[in-house]
Amino acid sequence: DTGVSQNPRHKITKRGQNVTFRCDPISEHNRLYWYRQTLGQGPEFLTYFQNEAQLEKSRLLSDRFSAERPKGSFSTLEIQRTEQGDSAMYLCASSLAGPSNEKLFFGSGTQLSVL
Amino acid sequence: GENVEQHPSTLSVQEGDSAVIKCTYSDSASNYFPWYKQELGKRPQLIIDIRSNVGEKKDQRIAVTLNKTAKHFSLHITETQPEDSAVYFCAARGYSSASKIIFGSGTRLSIRP
Repeated sequence: DTGVSQNPRHKITKRGQNVTFRCDPISEHNRLYWYRQTLGQGPEFLTYFQNEAQLEKSRLLSDRFSAERPKGSFSTLEIQRTEQGDSAMYLCASSLAGPSNEKLFFGSGTQLSVL
Repeated sequence: GENVEQHPSTLSVQEGDSAVIKCTYSDSASNYFPWYKQELGKRPQLIIDIRSNVGEKKDQRIAVTLNKTAKHFSLHITETQPEDSAVYFCAARGYSSASKIIFGSGTRLSIRP
């Protein structure tokens, strides 16, 4: 296990289609985050999990976005009825829980292009 | 909720000179402030962090200062080198270790030879 793994690396889809991304965190990490990054901007928080529990979801996130982490290991992020404004880099990060373990380890991201 | 503002958005310095990037945060209860470096086409990586119980932390050529009263913190890079060219993001986490980490909009640092 060399780090956080995200698949696919790139996804091109047509507007209105559904897409699903996968993130495999570092194996011993119990906290998993999803961020979205557009060109020239910082990572925008989407949601995060501790084990299988989804602790928080951004209020800016529409109902078209849903994330799961069913067994507290890998996570999926689904976007339904994609829109051109969803085009972005979707980053996953993981960490250990606890006050001394906040360092986030990021994956390489999934670049989504909605045509 | 927490909001983090970062400036400048771009910064160009002569190799060997110092660079300073500044951030402000809105939630006075925030207690953890990391800095991430993102090189072109790569993932963000933590370079230094500071907690609210200290005012300054240094690691070789990199230092971070925190002013809790003013709710701002800064990244200082001394003796800049070409490999320091990257985008730097500040971030803040709320009062609880279960709180999310919110990022600033980034500073693109260019080192002129």
